[in-house]
Amino acid sequence: SQQGEEDPQALSIQEGENATMNCSYKTSINNLQWYRQNSGRGLVHLILIRSNEREKHSGRLRVTLDTSKKSSSLLITASRAADTASYFCAPFATSYDKVIFGPGTSLSVIP
Amino acid sequence: NAGVTQTPKFQVLKTGQSMTLQCAQDMNHNSMYWYRQDPGMGLRLIYYSASEGTTDKGEVPNGYNVSRLNKREFSLRLESAAPSQTSVYFCASSTYRGETQYFGPGTRLLVL
Repeated sequence: SQQGEEDPQALSIQEGENATMNCSYKTSINNLQWYRQNSGRGLVHLILIRSNEREKHSGRLRVTLDTSKKSSSLLITASRAADTASYFCAPFATSYDKVIFGPGTSLSVIP
Repeated sequence: NAGVTQTPKFQVLKTGQSMTLQCAQDMNHNSMYWYRQDPGMGLRLIYYSASEGTTDKGEVPNGYNVSRLNKREFSLRLESAAPSQTSVYFCASSTYRGETQYFGPGTRLLVL
């Protein structure tokens, strides 16, 4: 199986600042996804980036993928209190048959 | 279009009791998953079904069984509940394994 390891485990920033979270993985992948989980709720998909892509944007989110370093980063710009949540990366490859979620990064945005 | 629905939302069981958690999706997805999440932790995969008619074990399958009833429905059964199974259970589905997963709202299970 393949598991993403998020870093840092916890991050606290002021509203308006940028937040960066990192994900490392161990083997070659087909894609990597980022999810958000607000307290007590199910995960919500944010972005999927494929192995042949290096960067992807969605609103205030920017995801990069460096397959040579086996790492990805999620940048949230101009953070808001509503961005307070846990963020998970999920690398996937067809060579193994399931996605294993890592422990996540807990982001606190202070108003 | 309800997405992924789960029933019940909350359940209290006594040790040794059995129950089935229900999950249904209306997105015509092939793959479905069951996860558990313990306080302050990430999700752990219990079982998944890559396509109708197939099921496979995840990270923590012991104490659970699953049934892929049809393309829409994927149930999780606890035959003899234990306090260690107190958790929040999430069901998810995706077009194919490895693609974007859509999650249900979760079932909170307390085993006394």
